[in-house]
Order: sequence, then C-alpha cells, then structure tokens
Amino acid sequence: GAVVSQHPSRVICKSGTSVKIECRSLDFQATTMFWYRQFPKQSLMLMATSNEGSKATYEQGVEKDKFLINHASLTLSTLTVTSAHPEDSSFYICSAHFPPSGRERGWETQYFGPGTRLLVL
Amino acid sequence: GENVEQHPSTLSVQEGDSAVIKCTYSDSASNYFPWYKQELGKRPQLIIDIRSNVGEKKDQRIAVTLNKTAKHFSLHITETQPEDSAVYFCAATLANQAGTALIFGKGTTLSVSS
Repeated sequence: GAVVSQHPSRVICKSGTSVKIECRSLDFQATTMFWYRQFPKQSLMLMATSNEGSKATYEQGVEKDKFLINHASLTLSTLTVTSAHPEDSSFYICSAHFPPSGRERGWETQYFGPGTRLLVL
Repeated sequence: GENVEQHPSTLSVQEGDSAVIKCTYSDSASNYFPWYKQELGKRPQLIIDIRSNVGEKKDQRIAVTLNKTAKHFSLHITETQPEDSAVYFCAATLANQAGTALIFGKGTTLSVSS
C-alpha cells in the first residue's frame, strides 16, 4: 500500500492564484521530503529538499519565493505555488525515505506520492 | 553535483525479447542506484535497486548490473510482456545520508508489442 499520500490529486486554477499541495507520510515520520516536478514526457526534476523545522533547500533555477515549502511537522510537507501561471502547469510529486529507521534498506529507499496534476488556465 | 545520462530514450521490442537500458553517472561518491517504472499519470514505482558494493542483482525477469569503474549501470528485462510497457527511469544518489535526493535520468519509453 501507499506510504506517501498527496492532496489534491488534480487541480485547475486561474492564472495569478495560489495553489497548495500537501504531502503526507503515512504511519511514519519523515524528517526529509523531496519535491519533484515532471513536465509531459520528461523526467522528474528535483525542485527542493524539505527539511522538518528548517528552511527548504532549493535547486538551482527554482524560485523559492514562488514555490513556498513548509515542513511544519514530521508527517506533512506543503508546496505552495504562488501567483501561478500557465507555464507552472505540471505534475508535482513528493517523496520521502522509507523506512525512516534505515535498518531494513537504508536511507536510500524513496517512495513517491501519487502526484498532483496542476493546470493553470 | 550528480548527473545521470540514460539511453535509449525509446525502445521497442517484441513480446518475449529482452530489453536493456543503460545509464551513466558522474559522481563517483554515488553508491545507490534504483530503477523506477512509471505508467502514464501515475507515480514512479521502485522495481529494483543496487548498491555500489554489489555488481549484479536479479529479481525474476529483472536484473541490474553495475560497473563502478566505468560509472555505468544497466537494467535488463528478459521475456518481456506487454505489461512491461512504461517509462523507466534510472537514478543515482549518495545513500545513508539523510537529505540526499535522487537524481534521475531522462527516462526510456519501453514499448512491448505482442
């Protein structure tokens, strides 16, 4: 079953509005979550690393003031796309390391949320 | 930082044939290499992974090989079936370090025709 959930699964909004996407780890605590963006027929591009209780680390070229990330608890990270424009339309996916203890597989195993498809009109 | 190259971008095979996808990475410190399968509109699913202390790993029809010296790793699918059709992504990362993200290749669209 899924260990990482995302909400909403799909959102359509008008240009200029803000959209919040939630990523939750189910039944485990994730000190670190990752946000990726995937355009049609392209690969997953890392946007930022979300760290619980501290500021997110953004990849080069990703505007931190446009893509606000908040990791206020050990089970929830949010990505807010501010003043969305049509070029922001994409598939946004989060991921988290599981199991967090690292004993079974190590830190490296990442499981992805189901993704959020954003369409900005 | 890490850079991952993946080839081919598209691959078409007949059912029952084998499929091979190859990736190279740039950061010699990377020590974990997973492969993900993604169906249209869905999340990537981990299908197999390999750590740098192992040269080969097999799981039924799927195998992965790793050449640390050359910094490349490959996915091998034998006896392909139509349901293997999907986009496959390789990735690399430095494991055992919290906060280290996966860096993905550009993906390979595999089409298996019956």
